[in-house]
Amino acid sequence: TQLLEQSPQFLSIQEGENLTVYCNSSSVFSSLQWYRQEPGEGPVLLVTVVTGGEVKKLKRLTFQFGDARKDSSLHITAAQPGDTGLYLCAGENTGNQFYFGTGTSLTVIP
Amino acid sequence: GAVVSQHPSWVICKSGTSVKIECRSLDFQATTMFWYRQFPKQSLMLMATSNEGSKATYEQGVEKDKFLINHASLTLSTLTVTSAHPEDSSFYICSALLGNSPLHFGNGTRLTVT
Repeated sequence: TQLLEQSPQFLSIQEGENLTVYCNSSSVFSSLQWYRQEPGEGPVLLVTVVTGGEVKKLKRLTFQFGDARKDSSLHITAAQPGDTGLYLCAGENTGNQFYFGTGTSLTVIP
Repeated sequence: GAVVSQHPSWVICKSGTSVKIECRSLDFQATTMFWYRQFPKQSLMLMATSNEGSKATYEQGVEKDKFLINHASLTLSTLTVTSAHPEDSSFYICSALLGNSPLHFGNGTRLTVT
């Protein structure tokens, strides 16, 4: 088992605020994914990052993969109530196994 | 896009009975499927990696005799929770790997053991 720590674990912010979620590990991953999960449903893929230092933008979401491919961050600009959910990072090892981070529960208050 | 179907969505069973959960890849062949377990307000914990035609690889701490995994075809993997107990109540989610693409997830199965 390869541990990915996410911080913060819980986050409650007002609509329009910015936030950053961190995903850290001591392991190196061949790729890293970010997912969002609604209660009672499976995770939905947001992005995959593969190259160290890579930055990807998806509308108001910006994802960054650390240079050493051990950590990642997710930044949301001008959060909206529709962004509420559980955000999960997942690292892929060389054996194509995916290990999930500890999760960040985000609540955006209108 | 690739679709993974999980069945059933909800199941309630009595303590001591066994429950089978199915995971199907609907429009692609998946040589590798994964089974995860998720407790309320927690992340997904990888239980085992299921490979078509071979034995599953279980993560440390997961009892292989209690959580039986069968991957008999390229589109179907099953997880059987044997002699279920209330502490086995959880949300079980499968996922499938399509080539080098990221994981495609089923919608999960909520298991409640009474």
